[in-house]
Amino acid sequence: DTAVSQTPKYLVTQMGNDKSIKCEQNLGHDTMYWYKQDSKKFLKIMFSYNNKELIINETVPNRFSPKSPDKAHLNLHINSLELGDSAVYFCASSQDPRASGASYEQYFGPGTRLTVT
Amino acid sequence: GQQLNQSPQSMFIQEGEDVSMNCTSSSIFNTWLWYKQDPGEGPVLLIALYKAGELTSNGRLTAQFGITRKDSFLNISASIPSDVGIYFCAGPHTGTASKLTFGTGTRLQVTL
Repeated sequence: DTAVSQTPKYLVTQMGNDKSIKCEQNLGHDTMYWYKQDSKKFLKIMFSYNNKELIINETVPNRFSPKSPDKAHLNLHINSLELGDSAVYFCASSQDPRASGASYEQYFGPGTRLTVT
Repeated sequence: GQQLNQSPQSMFIQEGEDVSMNCTSSSIFNTWLWYKQDPGEGPVLLIALYKAGELTSNGRLTAQFGITRKDSFLNISASIPSDVGIYFCAGPHTGTASKLTFGTGTRLQVTL
């Protein structure tokens, strides 16, 4: 009965490769997010989707491409991986925060630790 | 842009002690969220605050929404070893409600 799940938990790959991280939520939420957490534990939003529509796209290299096949899934594909992409990536979900009376509470997955060698 | 500064950055305490930490901002927030991140896991929501002055408890945790709307406080009473982790405050970005701004984190270590 996991609320927000991500796969894989660990991903080790070489520079230049292309990889994907998958995320699924069973909370019935409309909005999903990708965050990057660096070595100093700072959490930074990358993307947000609401009902398959992109609503936040922070200054992220276009090697990163999110894809949302339906509102319960948000995947992250990364092309031409670089050393600096090594980090922990978190998926999260929430109600639509733009809706009247909506909660801003976001629920996070367990994270994917990406190591690029 | 909006920044949330947390204090202290880290703390070492003994089991049984009470803990206090805070989160301050240069701009007003209408919601404050407190999360805890265990090592190797994702952040878990502890407490949500929606009104200035609000005081909310969750077990041994108590959080307060500062009256100025520019700060929030988290207290943990009678700490235990499983309280170890990083505590983050967060709030919705003024310009983009969909975006949460996260604080810099307070790392808590508990010694027996």
